[in-house]
Amino acid sequence: QSVLTQPPSVSAAPGQTITISCSGSSSNIGTNSVSWYQHLPGRAPKILIYDNHKRPSGIPDRFYGFRSGTSATLGITGLQTGDEADYYCGAWDISLNAVYVFGTATKVTVL
Amino acid sequence: EMRLAESGGGFVKSGGSLRLSCVASGFTFSEVWMNWVRQAPGKGLEWVGRMKSWADGGTIDYAAAVKDRFIISRDDSKSILYLQMNNLKTEDTALYYCNQGMYYWGQGVQVTVSS
Repeated sequence: QSVLTQPPSVSAAPGQTITISCSGSSSNIGTNSVSWYQHLPGRAPKILIYDNHKRPSGIPDRFYGFRSGTSATLGITGLQTGDEADYYCGAWDISLNAVYVFGTATKVTVL
Repeated sequence: EMRLAESGGGFVKSGGSLRLSCVASGFTFSEVWMNWVRQAPGKGLEWVGRMKSWADGGTIDYAAAVKDRFIISRDDSKSILYLQMNNLKTEDTALYYCNQGMYYWGQGVQVTVSS
C-alpha cells in the first residue's frame, strides 16, 4: 500500500526535460531521505538518486533530485528513448515501526 | 562486482510454504542491511521486510501484509539472505527481489500462489 503519491504518467519528446513529483508526509519524506528508482517490469530496479539528490556512480547527471518539506522531485533532462520506464520514489517511514514505502509509480513515455 | 541472485521461487497452493534464497557476492555481506521487495502482477513495488546486520542488532521489520507469515533470516557465513514464506495467499503472487540497503538489487524470482 503506497503512501507516497506520484503522477501516474509523464510524457515528452526526446531532448525535453520532465519532472516527477513525489508527495509524502512528515513521517517519511519529511523525516528521512528519498531515493528514486528506474524500473523496467521483470528486471532489477535501478537506483538513480539516493539521499534526496546524490547520484550513484554511473548515473548520468541528466538525472537529478531534490527534496522540499514533505515532497520530492526527480528531474530528467535531455530525455532519451531509453528513459522509458516506470519510476518510483521511496523512503523509510517511522509512523509504525520501520517500514519502507514506495511511491505509486510514474510511467514515463518518450513521444 | 556486487551481485545478488535470488532462487527458490515456483508454484505453490494457497496455504503452502516456500523459502527464497538470495546469494550475495562482491561485498561484505555481514556488514549490510538486507531487504526483500516484491511486485505483484500489474502492481507497483512493495517492500516486504528488512534485516539489519548483526553488528546493528539483527533487527527484523516486516510489512503489515506479511507479518506473522513471513520470516527473514540470514547466514553471514554463506552470504545468504532467506525469506521463509508460510501460509501463502494468492495475493502473495509476485516477483520477489532482494536488495542491499535499497541500493543494489537482484534480478528477482517469481512466486505464484494458486487457490
